[in-house]
Amino acid sequence: GAGVSQSPSNKVTEKGKDVELRCDPISGHTALYWYRQRLGQGLEFLIYFQGNSAPDKSGLPSDRFSAERTGESVSTLTIQRTQQEDSAVYLCASRLPRHRGRSVEQFFGPGTRLTVL
Amino acid sequence: GIQVEQSPPDLILQEGANSTLRCNFSDSVNNLQWFHQNPWGQLINLFYIPSGTKQNGRLSATTVATERYSLLYISSSQTTDSGVYFCAVPLMEYGNKLVFGAGTILRVKS
Repeated sequence: GAGVSQSPSNKVTEKGKDVELRCDPISGHTALYWYRQRLGQGLEFLIYFQGNSAPDKSGLPSDRFSAERTGESVSTLTIQRTQQEDSAVYLCASRLPRHRGRSVEQFFGPGTRLTVL
Repeated sequence: GIQVEQSPPDLILQEGANSTLRCNFSDSVNNLQWFHQNPWGQLINLFYIPSGTKQNGRLSATTVATERYSLLYISSSQTTDSGVYFCAVPLMEYGNKLVFGAGTILRVKS
Protein backbone atom coordinates (compact mmCIF):
# COMPACT_ATOMS: atom_id res chain seq x y z
CA GLY A 1 0.00 0.00 0.00
CA ALA A 2 0.96 3.65 -0.27
CA GLY A 3 3.21 5.15 2.35
CA VAL A 4 3.09 8.57 3.95
CA SER A 5 3.25 11.30 1.34
CA GLN A 6 4.21 14.95 1.75
CA SER A 7 4.09 17.99 -0.46
CA PRO A 8 5.82 20.00 -1.65
CA SER A 9 9.13 18.16 -1.56
CA ASN A 10 11.01 21.45 -1.61
CA LYS A 11 9.91 24.97 -0.73
CA VAL A 12 11.95 28.14 -1.01
CA THR A 13 10.39 31.26 0.43
CA GLU A 14 11.31 34.75 1.44
CA LYS A 15 11.56 35.82 5.05
CA GLY A 16 8.20 37.04 6.31
CA LYS A 17 6.05 34.95 3.97
CA ASP A 18 3.63 32.25 5.13
CA VAL A 19 4.05 28.63 4.04
CA GLU A 20 1.79 25.60 4.19
CA LEU A 21 3.06 22.03 4.20
CA ARG A 22 0.88 19.00 3.58
CA CYS A 23 0.94 15.44 4.86
CA ASP A 24 -1.14 12.46 3.72
CA PRO A 25 -0.85 9.61 6.26
CA ILE A 26 -1.14 5.91 5.56
CA SER A 27 -4.78 4.90 5.28
CA GLY A 28 -6.11 3.65 8.62
CA HIS A 29 -3.40 5.37 10.64
CA THR A 30 -5.26 7.48 13.16
CA ALA A 31 -2.14 8.96 14.76
CA LEU A 32 -0.14 11.60 12.91
CA TYR A 33 3.02 13.44 13.97
CA TRP A 34 5.05 16.35 12.65
CA TYR A 35 8.80 16.55 13.32
CA ARG A 36 11.49 19.02 12.31
CA GLN A 37 15.07 18.20 11.39
CA ARG A 38 17.58 21.00 11.24
CA LEU A 39 20.72 20.50 9.17
CA GLY A 40 23.00 17.88 10.70
CA GLN A 41 20.74 17.24 13.66
CA GLY A 42 18.24 14.68 14.88
CA LEU A 43 14.49 15.02 14.67
CA GLU A 44 12.51 17.11 17.14
CA PHE A 45 8.82 16.62 17.83
CA LEU A 46 6.41 19.41 16.87
CA ILE A 47 2.79 18.24 17.14
CA TYR A 48 0.70 15.05 17.47
CA PHE A 49 -2.85 14.27 16.35
CA GLN A 50 -4.85 11.23 17.46
CA GLY A 51 -8.28 10.81 15.94
CA ASN A 52 -10.66 13.49 17.13
CA SER A 53 -8.79 14.17 20.38
CA ALA A 54 -7.23 17.57 21.07
CA PRO A 55 -3.76 17.69 19.50
CA ASP A 56 -0.58 17.73 21.55
CA LYS A 57 1.04 21.00 20.49
CA SER A 58 3.77 20.94 23.11
CA GLY A 59 6.62 20.84 20.58
CA LEU A 60 5.61 23.85 18.48
CA PRO A 61 8.48 26.36 18.82
CA SER A 62 6.40 29.55 18.58
CA ASP A 63 2.90 30.83 17.91
CA ARG A 64 3.89 31.32 14.27
CA PHE A 65 3.50 27.55 13.90
CA SER A 66 0.11 25.87 13.68
CA ALA A 67 -1.28 22.64 12.31
CA GLU A 68 -4.65 21.22 11.44
CA ARG A 69 -5.98 17.81 10.65
CA THR A 70 -9.39 16.98 9.27
CA GLY A 71 -10.63 13.78 10.88
CA GLU A 72 -8.14 11.00 10.29
CA SER A 73 -6.82 12.20 6.96
CA VAL A 74 -4.69 15.02 5.62
CA SER A 75 -2.79 17.38 7.89
CA THR A 76 -1.35 20.79 7.09
CA LEU A 77 1.44 22.53 8.97
CA THR A 78 1.43 26.31 8.58
CA ILE A 79 4.32 28.62 9.40
CA GLN A 80 3.46 32.30 9.43
CA ARG A 81 5.95 35.12 8.93
CA THR A 82 8.78 32.68 8.24
CA GLN A 83 12.23 33.35 9.67
CA GLN A 84 15.60 32.05 8.51
CA GLU A 85 15.82 29.79 11.57
CA ASP A 86 12.71 27.97 10.29
CA SER A 87 14.83 26.49 7.49
CA ALA A 88 14.77 22.72 8.02
CA VAL A 89 13.25 19.50 6.76
CA TYR A 90 9.74 18.97 8.07
CA LEU A 91 8.79 15.30 8.37
CA CYS A 92 5.43 13.73 8.94
CA ALA A 93 4.84 10.29 10.43
CA SER A 94 1.79 8.14 11.07
CA ARG A 95 0.93 4.94 12.92
CA LEU A 96 -1.96 2.65 13.74
CA PRO A 97 -4.10 3.41 16.82
CA ARG A 98 -2.87 1.98 20.09
CA HIS A 99 -4.37 -1.35 21.01
CA ARG A 100 -3.26 -4.07 23.37
CA GLY A 101 -0.36 -5.94 21.82
CA ARG A 102 -0.29 -3.82 18.69
CA SER A 103 2.87 -2.21 17.43
CA VAL A 104 3.08 1.58 17.70
CA GLU A 105 5.74 1.74 14.99
CA GLN A 106 5.83 5.07 13.18
CA PHE A 107 6.34 5.41 9.44
CA PHE A 108 7.76 8.57 7.92
CA GLY A 109 7.11 10.51 4.76
CA PRO A 110 9.91 11.87 2.54
CA GLY A 111 9.77 15.31 4.14
CA THR A 112 9.53 18.87 2.89
CA ARG A 113 12.79 20.78 2.70
CA LEU A 114 12.03 24.41 3.61
CA THR A 115 14.53 27.14 2.83
CA VAL A 116 13.84 30.67 4.06
CA LEU A 117 15.94 33.29 2.31
CA GLY B 1 12.80 13.93 30.06
CA ILE B 2 14.37 10.83 28.62
CA GLN B 3 17.80 11.17 27.03
CA VAL B 4 18.88 9.10 24.03
CA GLU B 5 22.58 8.89 23.22
CA GLN B 6 24.15 7.24 20.20
CA SER B 7 27.72 6.22 19.57
CA PRO B 8 29.93 6.57 17.73
CA PRO B 9 28.91 9.90 16.16
CA ASP B 10 30.86 9.11 12.99
CA LEU B 11 32.11 5.89 11.46
CA ILE B 12 34.07 5.20 8.29
CA LEU B 13 34.20 1.63 7.04
CA GLN B 14 35.83 -0.16 4.17
CA GLU B 15 33.31 -2.08 2.10
CA GLY B 16 32.88 -5.56 3.50
CA ALA B 17 33.66 -4.62 7.10
CA ASN B 18 31.32 -5.15 10.05
CA SER B 19 30.20 -2.55 12.58
CA THR B 20 28.19 -2.09 15.75
CA LEU B 21 26.23 1.04 16.56
CA ARG B 22 25.01 1.70 20.07
CA CYS B 23 21.99 3.48 21.51
CA ASN B 24 21.72 4.21 25.25
CA PHE B 25 18.59 5.60 26.88
CA SER B 26 18.20 7.11 30.31
CA ASP B 27 14.86 5.66 31.38
CA SER B 28 12.73 2.57 30.94
CA VAL B 29 11.13 2.23 27.53
CA ASN B 30 8.51 -0.11 26.09
CA ASN B 31 9.90 -0.12 22.59
CA LEU B 32 12.53 1.32 20.31
CA GLN B 33 12.94 1.99 16.61
CA TRP B 34 16.06 2.04 14.43
CA PHE B 35 16.03 4.10 11.22
CA HIS B 36 18.38 4.62 8.31
CA GLN B 37 18.28 8.07 6.75
CA ASN B 38 19.58 7.76 3.23
CA PRO B 39 21.48 10.53 1.41
CA TRP B 40 18.16 11.82 0.00
CA GLY B 41 16.80 12.33 3.49
CA GLN B 42 14.25 9.53 3.54
CA LEU B 43 13.88 7.78 6.90
CA ILE B 44 13.68 4.04 6.38
CA ASN B 45 12.40 1.81 9.15
CA LEU B 46 14.95 -0.85 10.03
CA PHE B 47 13.72 -2.39 13.26
CA TYR B 48 10.94 -2.04 15.77
CA ILE B 49 12.50 -3.83 18.70
CA PRO B 50 11.23 -3.50 22.28
CA SER B 51 13.49 -6.31 23.47
CA GLY B 52 15.42 -9.30 22.24
CA THR B 53 17.11 -9.73 18.88
CA LYS B 54 15.83 -9.38 15.34
CA GLN B 55 17.59 -9.96 12.05
CA ASN B 56 16.91 -8.69 8.56
CA GLY B 57 19.49 -9.75 6.00
CA ARG B 58 22.85 -8.24 6.84
CA LEU B 59 21.38 -6.16 9.65
CA SER B 60 20.44 -7.26 13.12
CA ALA B 61 19.46 -5.45 16.30
CA THR B 62 19.42 -6.32 19.96
CA THR B 63 17.66 -4.39 22.72
CA VAL B 64 18.37 -5.07 26.39
CA ALA B 65 15.65 -2.98 27.98
CA THR B 66 16.67 -3.79 31.56
CA GLU B 67 20.12 -2.33 30.90
CA ARG B 68 18.78 0.52 28.77
CA TYR B 69 20.62 0.02 25.54
CA SER B 70 20.20 -1.25 22.00
CA LEU B 71 22.75 -2.32 19.41
CA LEU B 72 22.54 -2.31 15.63
CA TYR B 73 24.89 -4.67 13.80
CA ILE B 74 25.81 -4.19 10.17
CA SER B 75 27.69 -7.06 8.57
CA SER B 76 29.52 -7.11 5.23
CA SER B 77 28.87 -3.40 4.76
CA GLN B 78 28.08 -1.99 1.33
CA THR B 79 28.34 1.55 -0.01
CA THR B 80 24.55 1.72 -0.03
CA ASP B 81 24.62 1.40 3.77
CA SER B 82 26.03 4.93 3.96
CA GLY B 83 23.87 7.54 5.63
CA VAL B 84 22.74 8.38 9.13
CA TYR B 85 21.42 5.81 11.58
CA PHE B 86 18.99 6.97 14.24
CA CYS B 87 17.48 5.23 17.20
CA ALA B 88 14.31 6.62 18.74
CA VAL B 89 12.19 5.77 21.75
CA PRO B 90 8.48 6.59 22.12
CA LEU B 91 7.06 8.30 25.18
CA MET B 92 3.94 6.28 25.97
CA GLU B 93 2.47 8.90 28.25
CA TYR B 94 2.83 11.50 25.51
CA GLY B 95 1.12 9.78 22.64
CA ASN B 96 4.22 7.76 21.75
CA LYS B 97 5.98 10.77 20.28
CA LEU B 98 9.51 9.74 19.41
CA VAL B 99 12.63 11.04 21.11
CA PHE B 100 15.56 10.68 18.75
CA GLY B 101 19.25 10.29 19.35
CA ALA B 102 21.66 12.54 17.47
CA GLY B 103 22.49 9.76 15.03
CA THR B 104 25.57 7.93 13.77
CA ILE B 105 26.94 9.07 10.40
CA LEU B 106 28.20 6.03 8.50
CA ARG B 107 30.39 6.25 5.42
CA VAL B 108 31.23 3.04 3.60
CA LYS B 109 34.12 3.37 1.16
CA SER B 110 34.60 1.09 -1.84
